[in-house]
Amino acid sequence: KNQVEQSPQSLIILEGKNCTLQCNYTVSPFSNLRWYKQDTGRGPVSLTIMTFSENTKSNGRYTATLDADTKQSSLHITASQLSDSASYICVVSAKISSYDKVIFGPGTSLSVIP
Amino acid sequence: EAGVVQSPRYKIIEKKQPVAFWCNPISGHNTLYWYLQNLGQGPELLIRYENEEAVDDSQLPKDRFSAERLKGVDSTLKIQPAELGDSAVYLCASSITSGNEQFFGPGTRLTVL
Repeated sequence: KNQVEQSPQSLIILEGKNCTLQCNYTVSPFSNLRWYKQDTGRGPVSLTIMTFSENTKSNGRYTATLDADTKQSSLHITASQLSDSASYICVVSAKISSYDKVIFGPGTSLSVIP
Repeated sequence: EAGVVQSPRYKIIEKKQPVAFWCNPISGHNTLYWYLQNLGQGPELLIRYENEEAVDDSQLPKDRFSAERLKGVDSTLKIQPAELGDSAVYLCASSITSGNEQFFGPGTRLTVL
């Protein structure tokens, strides 16, 4: 069964600190993996996309990693800011025939406090 | 360029009443998605359109939910009659084609009393 799990479910960190969010998936055949950021009351916004051959991708203070062998991904946030408070959703796409089937994780709720 | 537009942003209705949500995708995006999102969970796909054709509606509760995308542009999602368990955020997203990045609207928060 295609599934995406994320940990931790929620996280509280002090402003300026780093944190790492985890994503494990059992999706096959793998097409790509995205991390989305969802602010409260808004729709998700894509942060990064990674394909099978990519191990690391950065977007400002966000760095995503992918281990296709162990089917794990992480999102590392450096020098956190109050505006990083949001839900971070791991989304994995499976190549089904001619289209991608998208599977969303439950998200990690991050709270950055001053 | 405008993003995905949804209306209304909020809707409060009594159970057994009908409700409709509207979505206008980004211009030129052929694929349109409707998702349901419960608090603390990720979005769950209800239906996916490729142009005007519903190509994946396996998760749409067809006894009470219906959707249409006439002319392959904007779309409407309807619930009739609404139940208490339908309270959630309904998200619309669009992409150039299936597999490309999805762009989400702000969602419609539905409360059924």
